[in-house]
Amino acid sequence: GENVEQHPSTLSVQEGDSAVIKCTYSDSASNYFPWYKQELGKGPQLIIDIRSNVGEKKDQRIAVTLNKTAKHFSLHITETQPEDSAVYFCAARAGGTSYGKLTFGQGTILTVHP
Amino acid sequence: GAVVSQHPSWVICKSGTSVKIECRSLDFQATTMFWYRQFPKQSLMLMATSNEGSKATYEQGVEKDKFLINHASLTLSTLTVTSAHPEDSSFYICSVDQGGREQYFGPGTRLTVT
Repeated sequence: GENVEQHPSTLSVQEGDSAVIKCTYSDSASNYFPWYKQELGKGPQLIIDIRSNVGEKKDQRIAVTLNKTAKHFSLHITETQPEDSAVYFCAARAGGTSYGKLTFGQGTILTVHP
Repeated sequence: GAVVSQHPSWVICKSGTSVKIECRSLDFQATTMFWYRQFPKQSLMLMATSNEGSKATYEQGVEKDKFLINHASLTLSTLTVTSAHPEDSSFYICSVDQGGREQYFGPGTRLTVT
């Protein structure tokens, strides 16, 4: 099955700096890659996603890049703010019999210091 | 995106009793919902896929007789933890799959078994 590795496990930045979180996946059939933000005691919130036919997607301060050949994708947050502090999860979804199932990375605890 | 609710948000029960958790899709008719479990400081682990009108599909290692899933309508799926034990204490989260597109999560249910 699919395996998703996420790095780093913790990331500490100063307000205004950029933050980058990287994930690799194992199943070349995976075709959808969402990123979720989870605050303490809450469910994950979808913040951005990318499909396998696209190399990059941007939404205001957040962007995601995908390299299908290398099987890795990254989340980029620019001009970080204290409210960006949370746990971020990447995920990958394969087609076929695994249709709909998401495999999650281990998570990254992002701390933005004022 | 889809709006997903869960009830209760937290529950404490005694060892040996059963607990039912509801997951509702408030603005989308979901033929497929997913149930996840998340232990403290860990990632989300898929437990089962809930299919409207048919039996749920459980992930390897998840006891289907212990975690009963019923997806009786397009807006409601329930997870019943039977004969709960302290090791079942966890954060249970459901998600709604929008027809193979984005997947949106509920706010989660904190289960504590004493």
